[in-house]
Order: sequence, then C-alpha cells, then structure tokens
Amino acid sequence: AQTVTQSQPEMSVQEAETVTLSCTYDTSENNYYLFWYKQPPSRQMILVIRQEAYKQQNATENRFSVNFQKAAKSFSLKISDSQLGDTAMYFCAFMKRTGNQFYFGTGTSLTVIP
Amino acid sequence: DVKVTQSSRYLVKRTGEKVFLECVQDMDHENMFWYRQDPGLGLRLIYFSYDVKMKEKGDIPEGYSVSREKKERFSLILESASTNQTSMYLCASSFVSVADTQYFGPGTRLTVL
Repeated sequence: AQTVTQSQPEMSVQEAETVTLSCTYDTSENNYYLFWYKQPPSRQMILVIRQEAYKQQNATENRFSVNFQKAAKSFSLKISDSQLGDTAMYFCAFMKRTGNQFYFGTGTSLTVIP
Repeated sequence: DVKVTQSSRYLVKRTGEKVFLECVQDMDHENMFWYRQDPGLGLRLIYFSYDVKMKEKGDIPEGYSVSREKKERFSLILESASTNQTSMYLCASSFVSVADTQYFGPGTRLTVL
C-alpha cells in the first residue's frame, strides 16, 4: 500500500517570504507521479504542480517549485514570494504509473500573513 | 476550462434517510471519483469509475454505493445515512491516460443529524 505523510498540519509565512511544505511517501513502486494540490478556503481544489518520478529535474511552475528526492522518498513544495492568495490547504498526492488511484496526505494549512 | 459540478454545496439530512450526491463533468473524462475529506485525515477515496456502469471500491466504501449510467454523471448514494457520514464530499474526474490530473468539484458539505 502507498502512504503519503505531511508532518506539518499548519504553517504560516510572511507575505513575500519563502516557505517550504514537506511531504514524504512510502512505496515499493519505481514508476509513479507526485502532485501538490491547493484548496483555498471555500473554493475548489486545483493542481499546483506535478512531478514524474523518472525525471530527475525538479518541476517548477512560476513561484512554485519542488524538491524531489527519490531515494529519500521526499517531495517538498517551495513557494517563493508568498502572496495572500496562497493561503490554502495544500495536499500532497501520489499515483502509481499504472493506476488511476491517488493517495493523498492529510494536508498542510498555510496562512500567508500580511 | 474543465468544469466539475456537484448538485449541492450544503446538505442536511436525518439519520436513516437515503441521500444522493450528484456529480457532473463536461470534459468527456473516463474516470470519475468520490472522496470524503475530514480534518486530520485528508482525502479518502470512496469509489471510482473508469467507464460507464463500471465501478471500483476505494479505501472506505462501506455504507456507500455509486451509480454511473452516463459518462458525464457519477452519483454517490448513502443508503441509510448515519451521523458518522457527516463530512465534506468531493467529486473529481480525469482522463484515463496515465497520470492525468484530477479535476475537482466544489464539494458538498453533508451534515447528518
């Protein structure tokens, strides 16, 4: 079975600063995908960024980047130049390459302080 | 833009009632999913469907059933609602291709009294 662990239930960051959200996972699979999803207060969950395990290069989307450490089974999300609109619950998710099912972590609630 | 809609944002039902939660997507996605979201537990998969009339149990199917008669619509059914089914229910859809992004609906907050 796959498990995804987010050890930080809540975090806060000052506007314009950088914050890193941690995620670790446990799997015996070699080919898989990792995702970060964002759920703003009372709004729909949206994809932030995704990483393919066979790619060594870390994924980047504007102010969002990941630090993917395959051997350590770690997949952290870095948010640079934090904005008030980044306030949300962030979920890390894992998916096997050959499956349809996502496995989600328990989430990290991020608050950006003005 | 992909659109996933859910029939209600908020729903209040009584113990023992039969409850239907509806989800509709407009992107011709093959896969559809039902999750429940609870504080401290994240998202847990209840059921998913990869085609019309096809369904697979997720991690917590007990007390739930699903129906997919049309490709765009996926219904979650609580045959006899109980208080421990009070939760946020999220629907999602995706293409069947490998590792395609899941698109989520706005969620239904169900309270069972």
